[in-house]
Amino acid sequence: AQTVTQSQPEMSVQEAETVTLSCTYDTSESDYYLFWYKQPPSRQMILVIRQEAYKQQNATENRFSVNFQKAAKSFSLKISDSQLGDAAMYFCAYRRRNNNDMRFGAGTRLTVKP
Amino acid sequence: NAGVTQTPKFRVLKTGQSMTLLCAQDMNHEYMYWYRQDPGMGLRLIHYSVGEGTTAKGEVPDGYNVSRLKKQNFLLGLESAAPSQTSVYFCASSNSRIYGYTFGSGTRLTVV
Repeated sequence: AQTVTQSQPEMSVQEAETVTLSCTYDTSESDYYLFWYKQPPSRQMILVIRQEAYKQQNATENRFSVNFQKAAKSFSLKISDSQLGDAAMYFCAYRRRNNNDMRFGAGTRLTVKP
Repeated sequence: NAGVTQTPKFRVLKTGQSMTLLCAQDMNHEYMYWYRQDPGMGLRLIHYSVGEGTTAKGEVPDGYNVSRLKKQNFLLGLESAAPSQTSVYFCASSNSRIYGYTFGSGTRLTVV
């Protein structure tokens, strides 16, 4: 079974600074997808960034980027120039190719200090 | 531009009562999912559907039933609610396995 581990239950960052959220996963597969979702207090789940395992290049979306280390099974999220609106729960998720069961980590609560 | 709509948003049930959560999507997505979110456990898949008339079990299916009679709707039923089913329930949909999901805004269910 695939499992996703987020070892940081809570993180905080100063506004305009950079923060990195950690995620590791366990799988014997070689073809899969990884995701980071943001859940603000509104409860809405918002897709932040997506990475395909067969692509070596790390995905980026504006201030959000990932460090994908396939051999280490690590998928960290870096948020640059943090903003107050970035405060939320962040979930790392894994899905094997052609599989419908997306597995989520327990989440990291990010606080942004003004 | 509704996306995925869940009703109701909040509900309180007594132990043993039944209820149905409704999920509707207007994006013509093939795949639909029901998750539950509990503190410290992230989201866990209850049931999913790969198309109209089809359903399958996820990671935590016990105590729940689902139906997908129409492509745009995915219903989650609790026949006899238990306090352990107190949770936030999310519906999601997608049109491909390679992309992320579009989520509804969730239903907070409390079973007393």
